[in-house]
Amino acid sequence: QKEVEQNSGPLSVPEGAIASLNCTYSDRGSQSFFWYRQYSGKSPELIMSIYSNGDKEDGRFTAQLNKASQYVSLLIRDSQPSDSATYLCAVIRGGSNYKLTFGKGTLLTVNP
Amino acid sequence: NAGVMQNPRHLVRRRGQEARLRCSPMKGHSHVYWYRQLPEEGLKFMVYLQKENIIDESGMPKERFSAEFPKEGPSILRIQQVVRGDSAAYFCASSPGMGPEAFFGQGTRLTVV
Repeated sequence: QKEVEQNSGPLSVPEGAIASLNCTYSDRGSQSFFWYRQYSGKSPELIMSIYSNGDKEDGRFTAQLNKASQYVSLLIRDSQPSDSATYLCAVIRGGSNYKLTFGKGTLLTVNP
Repeated sequence: NAGVMQNPRHLVRRRGQEARLRCSPMKGHSHVYWYRQLPEEGLKFMVYLQKENIIDESGMPKERFSAEFPKEGPSILRIQQVVRGDSAAYFCASSPGMGPEAFFGQGTRLTVV
């Protein structure tokens, strides 16, 4: 089982729709969870962090964490073409407070 | 308010040459991390450094790779005798302390020919 798994996509949604990105992780001791956005050829950009079960909202973005199911998701409301990018799920596993373990990313395309 | 600066952005080396990748952390950040992104793979942790100290190098290949973060100047990731499999994007990240939220640089894309 991979440490952090994401559907590689591509995920295609129309402009204005909700994009839902999912991620599962294998280490039950993981405590910190992150979503990064990476445009092609660019650096990963931190867009959300979440540390406790439940939802965390920031503008059009909502991160959801369910530690019992080892599942974290990112919802993007009112998707815009500028949201088209690869979204990387990252986890800090138990025993560390700095080492990020990344999934391979999900490519999101928002169609005008 | 410069972010994490990496140079060069693109580097081409022939097999057997040395590659030196540089990373200047954000102002006020004293913790540096190097990650490698191979084609079709996720980012993989390589090494964590503080000024003059290697804290965790568990992700570094045992041979040919080394990293440093001197008291003055940028952090350097050095790859000796490069091989085609070293071709990847190398990202540096920094944080103000030992913590989970790090900011990434633009990366250095190394191509070995």
